[in-house]
Amino acid sequence: NAGVMQNPRHLVRRRGQEARLRCSPMKGHSHVYWYRQLPEEGLKFMVYLQKENIIDESGMPKERFSAEFPKEGPSILRIQQVVRGDSAAYFCASSPVALDSYEQYFGPGTRLTVT
Amino acid sequence: TQLLEQSPQFLSIQEGENLTVYCNSSSVFSSLQWYRQEPGEGPVLLVTVVTGGEVKKLKRLTFQFGDARKDSSLHITAAQPGDTGLYLCAGYAGDYKLSFGAGTTVTVRA
Repeated sequence: NAGVMQNPRHLVRRRGQEARLRCSPMKGHSHVYWYRQLPEEGLKFMVYLQKENIIDESGMPKERFSAEFPKEGPSILRIQQVVRGDSAAYFCASSPVALDSYEQYFGPGTRLTVT
Repeated sequence: TQLLEQSPQFLSIQEGENLTVYCNSSSVFSSLQWYRQEPGEGPVLLVTVVTGGEVKKLKRLTFQFGDARKDSSLHITAAQPGDTGLYLCAGYAGDYKLSFGAGTTVTVRA
C-alpha cells in the first residue's frame, strides 16, 4: 500500500520546544499540501509545496511555522517554540498535479499535543 | 466563517434508517469531494462530483451535486453501524486549495 505516510502519529512537546512533522506523498505524487484540524472544526489549508518549492503558504502562520519539501526525502512541517494553541491534528495530502479536478489523498495525520 | 456549511452537525440514527447530510455554500465550486474520517485517522476520499446536477452512487451512498455547483448532499440508505464516522465535504473554489466544511458526525446504533 503506497499511501501517504506521516510520522510520528503522535507527538508530545512542552511549550517552547520544536516539533517536526514528516510526510511522504503517494508514489508518483509531486504535490504536497498540509492542513490543520482543530477540535470541532474542519481542516484548514496551511501550505502547498512542490519539490524544492513553496508554492502557497498563505494559510500558515508567519511566525514559528515553516515547511519544506526537499529534492530527496519527505516533506517537513516545522513548528518552533510550540505553544498550547498549536495542539491539533496535522494532515498531509498529496496529488499528482495541482489542478482543481484532481483529488487529494490524505495521510493518517500527526496529533500534536503541547503540554 | 466556513466557506462550506454542513448540516446537521450531529446525526444519530438506528441501524436500517436512512440519512441525508447537506453541504451548502454561496460560492461556486469546480468540483466537490466527500470524505469520511474515523477517530485517529485521516480523511478517506469517498467520491468526487464535478458536473452540476451530477448524481453518483456508491453502494448504499448517493451523492448529488447541485445544478449551480454551490451545494451537495450525501444520502445513505439503510445505514449500518459501519457507516459511523465524520463526513466531510470539501471543494475547490477555483484553485488547488481544498476548502472543508466542519463535518457531520454520524452515529448509527445497532
